[in-house]
Amino acid sequence: GEDVEQSLFLSVREGDSSVINCTYTDSSSTYLYWYKQEPGAGLQLLTYIFSNMDMKQDQRLTVLLNKKDKHLSLRIADTQTGDSAIYFCAESQHGSGNTGKLIFGQGTTLQVKP
Amino acid sequence: GAVVSQHPSWVICKSGTSVKIECRSLDFQATTMFWYRQFPKQSLMLMATSNEGSKATYEQGVEKDKFLINHASLTLSTLTVTSAHPEDSSFYICSAQGTGVVWTEAFFGQGTRLTVV
Repeated sequence: GEDVEQSLFLSVREGDSSVINCTYTDSSSTYLYWYKQEPGAGLQLLTYIFSNMDMKQDQRLTVLLNKKDKHLSLRIADTQTGDSAIYFCAESQHGSGNTGKLIFGQGTTLQVKP
Repeated sequence: GAVVSQHPSWVICKSGTSVKIECRSLDFQATTMFWYRQFPKQSLMLMATSNEGSKATYEQGVEKDKFLINHASLTLSTLTVTSAHPEDSSFYICSAQGTGVVWTEAFFGQGTRLTVV
C-alpha cells in the first residue's frame, strides 16, 4: 500500500540550512507536497512538486525530487526561529484533479536554535 | 489562499455524549471536504471524504455510525462524534477543496482538539 516515511526530528542553528527528507512508495503519485504545522494549528501548504519535475525553488525553499529512488527533500535556506514547526510530506494521485485525499508522512519536527 | 474555519477550536465533553465539529469554507465553494484525525506526535489519517449533497465515503476502519459526516451545503461540513469515549480524544482537522479541472489546492482548517473525560 501507500506509505510515506520521514525522519522525526531535526535540529539546526539559526542561519543554517535545514534539509528534511521523505521517501514514498507509490510510484503513481503525481503530486508531492510539503506542509507546515505550527503548535495547535492546521496545516499550511508550503510548496508542491509535480512528479515530472526534479526541482522547484520558491524563495528560501527548494524541493528536490528523485523519482527513481522515490525520495523527496525540502531545503530551507537561512533557517529562522519562526521556521520551527512540524513539516509533513504528503503525496496524492490525480484522476479528476482531486488533491484533497493526501497520504501524509509522520512529520519532522524542526527545532531552530538561536 | 482561501480560508477554512473550524469550530470549535477545542472542546471537552463527557463520555457518552456527542460532539459536533463544523468546517466552513469562508470565501469559496467547497465541493469536497476531507476529515482527518491526528494523534499526538503522529501523522494525519484520513477518516472520510464528503461531497456536497451525497453520503460521505469512509476510510477502512472508520466507523461511519460513530463519526457522522454531513455536507449539506457548499460551504459547510460537520463531523459529529457520537457517544464519545476517551479513546476518541484527538485532534480533528478538515480540509476543503473547490472545483477545478486540473488541480485544486485543498485548504486546511485550524483543527479541533477534542478531549473526552
